[in-house]
Formats: sequence, structure tokens, C-alpha cells
Amino acid sequence: DQQVKQNSPSLSVQEGRISILNCDYTNSMFDYFLWYKKYPAEGPTFLISISSIKDKNEDGRFTVFLNKSAKHLSLHIVPSQPGDSAVYFCAARQGAGKSTFGDGTTLTVKP
Amino acid sequence: EAQVTQNPRYLITVTGKKLTVTCSQNMNHEYMSWYRQDPGLGLRQIYYSMNVEVTDKGDVPEGYKVSRKEKRNFPLILESPSPNQTSLYFCASRGGSREQYFGPGTRLTVT
Repeated sequence: DQQVKQNSPSLSVQEGRISILNCDYTNSMFDYFLWYKKYPAEGPTFLISISSIKDKNEDGRFTVFLNKSAKHLSLHIVPSQPGDSAVYFCAARQGAGKSTFGDGTTLTVKP
Repeated sequence: EAQVTQNPRYLITVTGKKLTVTCSQNMNHEYMSWYRQDPGLGLRQIYYSMNVEVTDKGDVPEGYKVSRKEKRNFPLILESPSPNQTSLYFCASRGGSREQYFGPGTRLTVT
């Protein structure tokens, strides 16, 4: 049973446009959600997070939205830049416990 | 510089030959974990540790062992590696902040 799902393996957008990456989860006990970015030959790096008590968190060009009733979160990147091309992982956690990751979405931003 | 280090970065070995992948962090983090990344399967947690001498199984612990004798180190041990353990392995740590810091990865090939 995969508790965190990223249903789009890949996404391609034009530079300057909005990128929207989606993530669905099944465990209603998850109370903290994170997005990580991964470049080839590197470990994942933290991008942005959101607590279940919020529905939006913004950091520069990156905004994460949480819809608890739908068990859905999304990452918006505006405007998208070629340097944003990477694999993006959604992760969820309950309390201080272990994190569960989605399979990742490969974002390609075309100049 | 705050970092998580892993050694070796690349390893080719044969079935049944015991090996250890080391992981060390210099951030005084309590939480450490190991993941493996396989194509199309995202990041799957192998083992995690909430503190010294406290370890627990993740989602795919079979064939692996860990120990946490010191706060900074969390080695991953493969007592008898098999070809299905060929993968990309990441160590991560987490302290008071909510995000994990990942090492650069260890690419293991078992023939």
C-alpha cells in the first residue's frame, strides 16, 4: 500500500511558465509534508514544507498548497527556470516518526 | 560546513561478501536513516534511528543491519549481499528542524 503517490512521473514546462507538481496521500495521520529536489549524482535537498494546520506555505518562487479533505498537496513554481529541472519528491510524516516518500516527478524546464 | 558524508561513493562487490557503508553527520542530529532509490520506486526507507542505541525497521529492512553506537555515525551493513540489493543508497539526518539532510549517495553493484 503506497501511502504517498506522485502520479505524474514527468512534467515538461516552458521557462517562465508555472510548474505544478502534485502529490496524494492516504494516511490521514500524516501531519507534516515536505518537498525535496534531487539533481543527478547528488542527494535530495529540502525545498519547502507545510504543517497540516496550514493550507499554504510560500518561499520565493515556491508555494506548497495542502488540501486535507482531498489528501492532496501541490507544489507551484512560478516562474519556472531551467535550473529547476530536477526530480521532485513529495514526503509525508506523522509526528517525529519516519518519512514516507513518493516515487518522484521529473521536471524539465525548457528555455 | 554542515554535512552528511557517506563512504564509499561507489562499490562493486560479489554476492555474499559482507560490506559496510559508513554514514556520518556533523550536525549533532538525533534522527538518522537509510534509504535506497531504485528506478520508478522513489526513496524507500531501510532503517532509521531516533537516537543512540535506538533503531527501527523501515519499509524494506530485509538483508540489512544497522547500528547506532555514537550520535554522529550510522553505518549500513550488508552481511551477505545479493544482486537485488544493487541500488543507490542515501543516508540522511534530521535534528530540531523538520527537514532531512541527505548524503551524496552510494551506488552499490552486487554481481
